[in-house]
Amino acid sequence: DQQVKQNSPSLSVQEGRISILNCDYTNSMFDYFLWYKKYPAEGPTFLISISSIKDKNEDGRFTVFLNKSAKHLSLHIVPSQPGDSAVYFCAAATNAGGTSYGKLTFGQGTILTVHP
Amino acid sequence: DTGVSQNPRHKITKRGQNVTFRCDPISEHNRLYWYRQTLGQGPEFLTYFQNEAQLEKSRLLSDRFSAERPKGSFSTLEIQRTEQGDSAMYLCASSSGGRVTDTQYFGPGTRLTVL
Repeated sequence: DQQVKQNSPSLSVQEGRISILNCDYTNSMFDYFLWYKKYPAEGPTFLISISSIKDKNEDGRFTVFLNKSAKHLSLHIVPSQPGDSAVYFCAAATNAGGTSYGKLTFGQGTILTVHP
Repeated sequence: DTGVSQNPRHKITKRGQNVTFRCDPISEHNRLYWYRQTLGQGPEFLTYFQNEAQLEKSRLLSDRFSAERPKGSFSTLEIQRTEQGDSAMYLCASSSGGRVTDTQYFGPGTRLTVL
């Protein structure tokens, strides 16, 4: 079963506009959420994260919003730049301890293309 | 900090052959993870180590798969009697600790093609 879902396989945005990437999850035990970015021929790199005790976290042009009741999170990139073109993965983890500590569950990814 | 390295970057093998991949984590990172990524999917957790101890294995990791981290530094992932369904990108990640807030740094992956 897909516990983390990114329902948009791709997104195309004009440079300078806002990019909004969405992610839904089903497992109520998830309480920590992350976004990773992946360029071709490279491994995923950490972008931004949010704990379930918050509903928003901001880092420069990147903001992640969490709606726990809807089990939904989104990544906003403002303004979008051509260098942001990459695959973006949403990931979730549980902070509940035990041997699953730190294990990430990823969504399928969304390909973002930012046009100049 | 030279990052996580993985070797080889690409491996083509025939069905039924054994393959072994190596991961060198960031120095002094005590957590090491293996993930597998197939086309159109995100990385899927396979197993992880705390130092040399393998603490959890996914049900995706069949008996044909074995992972080791003998001295708590580099790790190897071996697949015996490869099948075409094993074709995927195998990613390794390391972190300084086991908390969810400890960032996992990924290597570039080893792409396996089973003919």
